[in-house]
Amino acid sequence: DAGITQSPRYKITETGRQVTLMCHQTWSHSYMFWYRQDLGHGLRLIYYSAAADITDKGEVSDGYVVSRSKTENFPLTLESATRSQTSVYFCASSVNRENSPLHFGNGTRLTVT
Amino acid sequence: DAKTTQPTSMDCAEGRAANLPCNHSTISGNEYVYWYRQIHSQGPQYIIHGLKNNETNEMASLIITEDRKSSTLILPHATLRDTAVYYCIVYNAGNNRKLIWGLGTSLAVNP
Repeated sequence: DAGITQSPRYKITETGRQVTLMCHQTWSHSYMFWYRQDLGHGLRLIYYSAAADITDKGEVSDGYVVSRSKTENFPLTLESATRSQTSVYFCASSVNRENSPLHFGNGTRLTVT
Repeated sequence: DAKTTQPTSMDCAEGRAANLPCNHSTISGNEYVYWYRQIHSQGPQYIIHGLKNNETNEMASLIITEDRKSSTLILPHATLRDTAVYYCIVYNAGNNRKLIWGLGTSLAVNP
């Protein structure tokens, strides 16, 4: 039962660099999500996807890009990293069914220097 | 979607019941109450959810008031491993993208 895995677990990058965070789930869940978590804030939605090739913006999507060519993968790309994007990033998934809860990965801690 | 109010922090003795309150006075008729928890450095973990009736599973019990304006998560016999931040969220089932996460309640279970 692999569930949902995120990689890398930790990442340090420099301002202006492109970086991609990976998310893989083994459940064939239709919905996938990317959140960021910062001190003093609750989890904030960056992007979500209802199915392969269907993505939509969340509340803090500026500076991020996602793709979903396969149901099981949902990578998040920071096209030109900024210090304000230093955060812990969580990927989650859920089935497309009423009452279905979210299942989260263990996060990627990203530091932009 | 409705927002929730939770105490910032709580303490509980190991082996005792932990009762975590949540106010959601603006909840709509089709919104469910969900509870998640986040243990340090891990992703949030689903605990339980309910609409109107009280619910129980292997992890916890959820008590929802008759007017649905508040609820209580009960951990019947808290252990040190239950030390975590607990989030109460209300949202329309099927609208996962509409979740509004607050800062939750930091529960410390003490030996």
